[in-house]
Amino acid sequence: DPKIIQKPKYLVAVTGSEKILICEQYLGHNAMYWYRQSAKKPLEFMFSYSYQKLMDNQTASSRFQPQSSKKNHLDLQITALKPDDSATYFCASSQGTELSNERLFFGHGTKLSVL
Amino acid sequence: GQQVQQSPTSLVLQEGENAELQCNFSTSLNSMQWFYQRPGGSLISVFYNPSGTKQSGRLTSTTVIKERRSSLHISSSQITDSGTYLCAMERSNTNKVVFGTGTRLQVLP
Repeated sequence: DPKIIQKPKYLVAVTGSEKILICEQYLGHNAMYWYRQSAKKPLEFMFSYSYQKLMDNQTASSRFQPQSSKKNHLDLQITALKPDDSATYFCASSQGTELSNERLFFGHGTKLSVL
Repeated sequence: GQQVQQSPTSLVLQEGENAELQCNFSTSLNSMQWFYQRPGGSLISVFYNPSGTKQSGRLTSTTVIKERRSSLHISSSQITDSGTYLCAMERSNTNKVVFGTGTRLQVLP
C-alpha cells in the first residue's frame, strides 16, 4: 500500500505543452521534495518544501513550478515542455528537514516522455 | 565534478556470491543513505547510516564519515537482489541530498 502516491505513472507529452505531475504523501511528513532521474545521470535534487514553503531549489528552470495546496501535496507543473525534460520525476518526503536525522521516502515516480 | 562516486558501476554475480559496493564522497557530509531501486521502480531506503556499521539480514553497511566513505556488503546474493544500489549523502551545512550514479547489480542463477 503505497504511502506516497504519484500520478500519473507514465506521461507522454508533445513539445511545447504543459503538464502537472501529482504527488500526495500519507506519511504525515512535513517536508516534501522533487527529484529528477535522467538516463545515465545521478538522481538530481530539484526542490524541497517544508510546511508548504519553498526551502531550497537547485537552479531548476522557471518552467518547473512546484505547487503545494496542502501540506501533504506537492505537485510539479512543467510548462513549455522540451524533449530534454524527458525523465522520471520522483517525489519524496521526510518527517523534518534535518536530513541528518531523517530517512527519505520516495514515490514510484512519473516517467515523462516529451516527443 | 561528481560529489558522490560509486564503484563498481556494474556488477554481475552468480547466485550465492558476495558483493561489496563502495561509495566515496568528495565533500564533508552530515549523513548518508543507501537506496535500492528496481528497474523502473521506486527507491527504497535500505540503510540510513550516519556512522558505523549496521546490519539487516544479508546486508551490512559500514560508514566512516570522517573518511567520507561507505560500503554496502551483500552476502549470499540472491536473484531478487538484482537492481541498482544508490548511495546518497546530505552535504554539510545544507539539507540537500546528493546521489551517486549507482551500482547496477545483476545476480544470475
